[in-house]
Amino acid sequence: LAKTTQPISMDSYEGQEVNITCSHNNIATNDYITWYQQFPSQGPRFIIQGYKTKVTNEVASLFIPADRKSSTLSLPRVSLSDTAVYYCLVASQGGSGGSYIPTFGRGTSLIVHP
Amino acid sequence: DGGITQSPKYLFRKEGQNVTLSCEQNLNHDAMYWYRQDPGQGLRLIYYSQIVNDFQKGDIAEGYSVSREKKESFPLTVTSAQKNPTAFYLCASSITTAGRAYEQYFGPGTRLTVT
Repeated sequence: LAKTTQPISMDSYEGQEVNITCSHNNIATNDYITWYQQFPSQGPRFIIQGYKTKVTNEVASLFIPADRKSSTLSLPRVSLSDTAVYYCLVASQGGSGGSYIPTFGRGTSLIVHP
Repeated sequence: DGGITQSPKYLFRKEGQNVTLSCEQNLNHDAMYWYRQDPGQGLRLIYYSQIVNDFQKGDIAEGYSVSREKKESFPLTVTSAQKNPTAFYLCASSITTAGRAYEQYFGPGTRLTVT
């Protein structure tokens, strides 16, 4: 199953753009890359998902190079409320019946300072 | 109002007792999952179910059991065989596990403390 590697922690300041990079060197052809956000004592919340190139929604952008061995989550103009743990997931096909089961790593703890 | 509910939010049990955590969804999702999270750690998969009456072990299934008798419900039982049951338990659902990984919707979690 594909594994991901991302920084354990990052610090930023309000109003700055934050880029969190995730490496997934053995990503399979059919795998998608998904990012989640988790606040303390809450369940993770979906942020964005992509397969290649660039995906943008109202809260973030996801950049995926052509080789797909890494991806970068970009959060524009962060605020204090963006302080959270961010998980990069690659759900490989490996479960029963060829099912795609996501695996969560430890994530990146982002702290936004005033 | 669609979503996933978990109850209770906090649960306290004595060592040696089995305890069942509830998870219900009204999103009409086929797939459901149980994760465990320890302080400062990521989520680890306990069990998942792709469809009613079917479920598969995840990475840390020992000491846990599940059932999927209804599409909406996926209860998790923490048995006395689980050596370190104190943790934050999260239930999630997604449309399916087939084809690719779809967005998972998570419940608010149950914090289990066993003493």
